[in-house]
Amino acid sequence: DTAVSQTPKYLVTQMGNDKSIKCEQNLGHDTMYWYKQDSKKFLKIMFSYNNKELIINETVPNRFSPKSPDKAHLNLHINSLELGDSAVYFCASSQPGQSYEQYFGPGTRLTVT
Amino acid sequence: GDSVTQMEGPVTLSEEAFLTINCTYTATGYPSLFWYVQYPGEGLQLLLKATKADDKGSNKGFEATYRKETTSFHLEKGSVQVSDSAVYFCAPSGTYKYIFGTGTRLKVLA
Repeated sequence: DTAVSQTPKYLVTQMGNDKSIKCEQNLGHDTMYWYKQDSKKFLKIMFSYNNKELIINETVPNRFSPKSPDKAHLNLHINSLELGDSAVYFCASSQPGQSYEQYFGPGTRLTVT
Repeated sequence: GDSVTQMEGPVTLSEEAFLTINCTYTATGYPSLFWYVQYPGEGLQLLLKATKADDKGSNKGFEATYRKETTSFHLEKGSVQVSDSAVYFCAPSGTYKYIFGTGTRLKVLA
């Protein structure tokens, strides 16, 4: 019973392509997040959604568009991929008011060639 | 703005050595404090937490105490094992948002 799942685990694509990463959580949490982790392990928040509403958008290029069809899902679509988009993308969820502990997915390693 | 400073790695220790990873933060109010661990090829998982001043979080032999006066949350373990090799992240939390430290890579040699 995976709490936070992401698909795909690996994604290799060429510059200029459009791709999506999917995330699902079965914890009943109201808040979901996308993070980007670079090769030096620096972890940066990209987006946060609470009950399907965008609440954090951290100066991310508008080529990145999150979509939350329901509070259990938060997908990330990336247009016109660039070399600098290569990273590991993590989805996470939490329940505000429950000590803010976050539960992370296993990550999606995106490689843009 | 809120920020966190974490000691730079990598930290290389022999098995059974004592570990300290320093973490200090600046934040408005009194955040909850967390340490997360990331094993190779995996996502982050919660290691321990403390929600108010002087609380001590502990798990798997690791400990950290919420020090409001020094705004610190240093991670310690008395005797590390090879299986502790991972990247450790300090993270004060705010509503809907964490500030993650840069991560400290720990390598434990047998």
